[in-house]
Amino acid sequence: KAGVTQTPRYLIKTRGQQVTLSCSPISGHRSVSWYQQTPGQGLQFLFEYFSETQRNKGNFPGRFSGRQFSNSRSEMNVSTLELGDSALYLCASSLAVVGSGETQYFGPGTRLLVL
Amino acid sequence: EDQVTQSPEALRLQEGESSSLNCSYTVSGLRGLFWYRQDPGKGPEFLFTLYSAGEEKEKERLKATLTKKESFLHITAPKPEDSATYLCAVQDNYGQNFVFGPGTRLSVLP
Repeated sequence: KAGVTQTPRYLIKTRGQQVTLSCSPISGHRSVSWYQQTPGQGLQFLFEYFSETQRNKGNFPGRFSGRQFSNSRSEMNVSTLELGDSALYLCASSLAVVGSGETQYFGPGTRLLVL
Repeated sequence: EDQVTQSPEALRLQEGESSSLNCSYTVSGLRGLFWYRQDPGKGPEFLFTLYSAGEEKEKERLKATLTKKESFLHITAPKPEDSATYLCAVQDNYGQNFVFGPGTRLSVLP
């Protein structure tokens, strides 16, 4: 079956702009979680959505937001981009919520560069 | 504040040379501890979830164990294809946050 897909794969933006990233989970998966990965901070949890509801959220400012649609596809939005937002953004999907024991499957990521 | 540290930062092994990676954590009530491997340029691959002290899980050459303060990932007779960065993460009982360690970069030489 098809894996987790993320679009776009690469993106270049300038400071102050906003960006929307998309994640399509594996068919049947209802949980989508988002992560930011940078060389300096490592992998950091952004938020998790399950059945269109945000279940939990990491320690990121309100500029980072997300949503999940009825078909489980999820989008992540970052407003007023800063240079420090340059990172690899990963999403993962699973049948049940993170921590339930179900396997998480990660996508290839979207690499965002903010100039 | 939840914290996760991993040691060593990097580890180089000869093929067949068994070893262990350490993940130490501080969390206000552990809901779960997770292990992943990540290959360069790819998203992480989920390995295990551990829930309580004394729990162990195995997958091929990997075995994860959990105590109240740390987890170990034991690698038995590793092969070059086991080379990757191994990450651990914890989720607290409130389920609100999910904190990753910095990872251990493992290289297995043929």
